[in-house]
Amino acid sequence: EPEVTQTPSHQVTQMGQEVILRCVPISNHLYFYWYRQILGQKVEFLVSFYNNEISEKSEIFDDQFSVERPDGSNFTLKIRSTKLEDSAMYFCASGGRTGFNEQFFGPGTRLTVL
Amino acid sequence: RKEVEQDPGPFNVPEGATVAFNCTYSNSASQSFFWYRQDCRKEPKLLMSVYSSGNEDGRFTAQLNRASQYISLLIRDSKLSDSATYLCVVNAGNQFYFGTGTSLTVIP
Repeated sequence: EPEVTQTPSHQVTQMGQEVILRCVPISNHLYFYWYRQILGQKVEFLVSFYNNEISEKSEIFDDQFSVERPDGSNFTLKIRSTKLEDSAMYFCASGGRTGFNEQFFGPGTRLTVL
Repeated sequence: RKEVEQDPGPFNVPEGATVAFNCTYSNSASQSFFWYRQDCRKEPKLLMSVYSSGNEDGRFTAQLNRASQYISLLIRDSKLSDSATYLCVVNAGNQFYFGTGTSLTVIP
């Protein structure tokens, strides 16, 4: 069964450093998403991506964040200058034919900012 | 105002019990609805989509009431493996909104 994969599973970084989180969505999916979940809190939408551009972003997704689909398979989230409050689990998800369809989540990257 | 509201629980039920979870959403333009389950420190996994006519998948039944902006999930004959957090998810525009989740523990 196809699945979304994410690397690394755990990233530790110093405050102010740049991090890139990587995702490989399900191959025939067209919609891609990033979410974050701070420990003990709800899953929060960051950004959706379709047809090589951002289709929607939340208030959390400020200028420190960017997304890219550098090739036909990878989907990345970059945080330019990490803050302590960026520590969270980051989930990538992909969905099929329309933006209303079910999404399938990767296992997440736990980001710890020191 | 929260986009999606759920009773956080916890619900502690014996094996074999029937349990129901409720969820309300604020955006009347919401277009699609889902229940996910999330195990501790794991990713959300799709349980089922929720359709206007209601739908069933084995022991799980989901209902949607658009007029009341209300979604429910019924689990019959609870198993130990049903213990998890159940997330109500609503799509509006290109955003997906998650509830805080309802915690379920099924007790032997």
